[in-house]
Amino acid sequence: DTEVTQTPKHLVMGMTNKKSLKCEQHMGHRAMYWYKQKAKKPPELMFVYSYEKLSINESVPSRFSPECPNSSLLNLHLHALQPEDSALYLCASSQVRTTDGDTIYFGEGSWLTVV
Amino acid sequence: EDQVTQSPEALRLQEGESSSLNCSYTVSGLRGLFWYRQDPGKGPEFLFTLYSAGEEKEKERLKATLTKKESFLHITAPKPEDSATYLCAPYGGATNKLIFGTGTLLAVQP
Repeated sequence: DTEVTQTPKHLVMGMTNKKSLKCEQHMGHRAMYWYKQKAKKPPELMFVYSYEKLSINESVPSRFSPECPNSSLLNLHLHALQPEDSALYLCASSQVRTTDGDTIYFGEGSWLTVV
Repeated sequence: EDQVTQSPEALRLQEGESSSLNCSYTVSGLRGLFWYRQDPGKGPEFLFTLYSAGEEKEKERLKATLTKKESFLHITAPKPEDSATYLCAPYGGATNKLIFGTGTLLAVQP
């Protein structure tokens, strides 16, 4: 069973709000990812965690702050976002990092609207 | 520079009309290539991983093939439920990460 669960499915937030996106997987995967996807565009990598340690940050603005509390959970903390940050945020996981050849499985995504 | 190009951008088929989607890539040190299906408003759903030229994989009406420069996703006798965006993503290259193409939007009409 390959399942990555993301909450909430939809989030509307003001530019001064603080909110968080959550992601959970119970497949025993040790790599977890955050991607951002704008309409009619492919997913763009934001962060990679490997064995609960941040291994890749794709020069993402500091208003996005990832956290990996344990091997099953991944959070994305949001603060002082801009309207252009509105997008579908995808969490994903794999056994090990893709560089080692393993399949990445995606969640259903969290739709974020910044007003 | 690593690049991925998918064609066509959009494809409209009649139910039962077979066709192929193309993914051309320039990725140094290719380590593998993923195909995903994505329905509107949802996350990508994994279809196949191909690791070496000449490899083929099948799943229901879909078959993916890989050469040194391209991958094809063949759709045989498609049904309306096959309508989706199909994304290819080679990995490897200078960054050793997934490089997503822009996708092919497939619409299958009954």
